[in-house]
Amino acid sequence: GNSVTQMEGPVTLSEEAFLTINCTYTATGYPSLFWYVQYPGEGLQLLLKATKADDKGSNKGFEATYRKETTSFHLEKGSVQVSDSAVYFCALSVSNSGYALNFGKGTSLLVTP
Amino acid sequence: DSGVTQTPKHLITATGQRVTLRCSPRSGDLSVYWYQQSLDQGLQFLIQYYNGEERAKGNILERFSAQQFPDLHSELNLSSLELGDSALYFCASSFTGDTEAFFGQGTRLTVV
Repeated sequence: GNSVTQMEGPVTLSEEAFLTINCTYTATGYPSLFWYVQYPGEGLQLLLKATKADDKGSNKGFEATYRKETTSFHLEKGSVQVSDSAVYFCALSVSNSGYALNFGKGTSLLVTP
Repeated sequence: DSGVTQTPKHLITATGQRVTLRCSPRSGDLSVYWYQQSLDQGLQFLIQYYNGEERAKGNILERFSAQQFPDLHSELNLSSLELGDSALYFCASSFTGDTEAFFGQGTRLTVV
């Protein structure tokens, strides 16, 4: 079946630190990969996506590269800000399940000044 | 604002009752997805509709059902509610299945 595994949180970092949140997946078929972010009290927002191997998704300083050989899609940011504090979800979708998103359990990030 | 509207924002009800959650997708979007977010299960896909027809089914209980109406809004019906059904229920919409999905702010259901 399809599943996503991401690192457990919470992750606490100081402002301007480097961020990595690991995400690996298993999928039948050829998935698209996503990172969603959920700020407190809000719905999920798409942060970035990649639809094929070696694609790099990027947005707001965050990046993730679709690595088929390691079935990974790790999220990185070079210098985090307090405003990046949120819960981050890695997800995949495949056509044979109607492109429904299959989410990881989420990683809570707290950035302190 | 994602353009996806969910009502109500909060709902408190008793065990055994039935509730209906409503979702209005973004203008022009044909596909609607329902997800359940709980502390123990995380974010789980429940069901998808596309232009009025059921397209895909996830971990949806038999006590739950959904439909999408001709104006493309969708309703999720939850019946014989149990304490464990307390969760945040999200609706998402996309133009077609393989385009970006936009999420509503969710309905927080508390079963007491």
